Amino acid sequence: EADIYQTPRYLVIGTGKKITLECSQTMGHDKMYWYQQDPGMELHLIHYSYGVNSTEKGDLSSESTVSRIRTEHFPLTLESARPSHTSQYLCASSLPDSGVRGYTFGSGTRLTVV
Amino acid sequence: QQQVKQSPQSLIVQKGGISIINCAYENTAFDYFPWYQQFPGKGPALLIAIRPDVSEKKEGRFTISFNKSAKQFSLHIMDSQPGDSATYFCAAGGGSARQLTFGSGTQLTVLP
Repeated sequence: EADIYQTPRYLVIGTGKKITLECSQTMGHDKMYWYQQDPGMELHLIHYSYGVNSTEKGDLSSESTVSRIRTEHFPLTLESARPSHTSQYLCASSLPDSGVRGYTFGSGTRLTVV
Repeated sequence: QQQVKQSPQSLIVQKGGISIINCAYENTAFDYFPWYQQFPGKGPALLIAIRPDVSEKKEGRFTISFNKSAKQFSLHIMDSQPGDSATYFCAAGGGSARQLTFGSGTQLTVLP
C-alpha cells in the first residue's frame, strides 16, 4: 500500500485562515512534489524539493509555501486561504537516482475554502 | 517544448471493447513515457511505462504503442472492464527535464 501519507484527506475552512497540508513518506525518497489538481483533472506542479533545505516553485504560480526540514516531511502552507484555493492537492515523491521515474503519489487532500 | 497533449478528454466503451488514449509530446529529449491510473479519492498510480528504444510494451491487457518519429504514444486497454473505469494520465520526462510533464487526463468509463 501507499508509503506516502497526506493529512487531512478533506478540509473545509473559512476564508482568511492559515492552513498546513501535511505530506510524509517512509521510503527515504529525496525528491518530493506538490501538485494541484483542478476539477478538470489536470495536474499542475506547484512546488518541488530535491532534498532537505531545497525547495523550488513549480510551473503553476501558487500563493502557498513549502518547507523541507526533514527528508520524510514536506508540508504545504497557505497563510490566508481564499475560495480560489479550493482544489485537490496531491503530494508525490521519487528516488534521486530514478530521474523522473517512480513517482509515488499520496491519496490527496481535498480543500474547500468557504 | 515541455507540453504533453492528451486526447480524448473522456471516453466511454462497452465491456470487452478496446480503449485507446493518445498523447503527443514536443520535447525530443524526453526518454521516459509513463501512464498513470487514478481512481476517485486516490492519487495517480503508475500503470505502465516505456522508453523510446522500443515501439511497444505490453503488460497484461495494457499496451503502450510508441512512435518516436511522430512524437506520439498511446495506451491501449484490451478487453476493457468496468473496473478499468478511472482517469488516465500520460506523462513524459527525462533528458534535461527534471520533472515529469503530465497530460490533461482522460476519464474512461467502461459500461457493463
